[in-house]
Amino acid sequence: NAGVTQTPKFQVLKTGQSMTLQCAQDMNHNSMYWYRQDPGMGLRLIYYSASEGTTDKGEVPNGYNVSRLNKREFSLRLESAAPSQTSVYFCASSEVWINEKLFFGSGTQLSVL
Amino acid sequence: KNQVEQSPQSLIILEGKNCTLQCNYTVSPFSNLRWYKQDTGRGPVSLTIMTFSENTKSNGRYTATLDADTKQSSLHITASQLSDSASYICVVSSSGNTGKLIFGQGTTLQVKP
Repeated sequence: NAGVTQTPKFQVLKTGQSMTLQCAQDMNHNSMYWYRQDPGMGLRLIYYSASEGTTDKGEVPNGYNVSRLNKREFSLRLESAAPSQTSVYFCASSEVWINEKLFFGSGTQLSVL
Repeated sequence: KNQVEQSPQSLIILEGKNCTLQCNYTVSPFSNLRWYKQDTGRGPVSLTIMTFSENTKSNGRYTATLDADTKQSSLHITASQLSDSASYICVVSSSGNTGKLIFGQGTTLQVKP
């Protein structure tokens, strides 16, 4: 039972580089989410996919794009990384939208220099 | 503005002692309140979820309380263990089709031998 798997665990980028964070869940969940966690702040929602085939902006979507590739996979792309995007990124999933328990991946620590 | 405030910001206790973490929220409309445990370098893991009508819920040595009138919740940890060292995050869910989760900034607990 892997749960929610994120790759990579660590990444260092230079300003302007692009990268994609991968997330996969094996719990047959309908909803998936991308959050960022910064020191002294609560987790903030970047994008979410309430169900396969749909994606919507969260509270901090600028500079990011997402793809719900299939029911299992939800990727987050940084097209042109900026130092302000240095953060820890978490993917999460739930059986249905929001009011169910979230299951989180172990996170990706991203540094943009 | 929807907010979740946690106190204290950090806490150090001796192994075997009890402690209580606080969460005050100003979220409306309210759907449920959750407590998560986040070990260093890992994603948050759900401890409890309480709806409006529930005022106490336990998960082993963790007991959460909810007072929906005063919009306060607490997480009580009994007979602490070294493995309880972690960040504890209070999360409030706002109801509706555009429902959202509002995360507190967390309380960092260190249990010393």
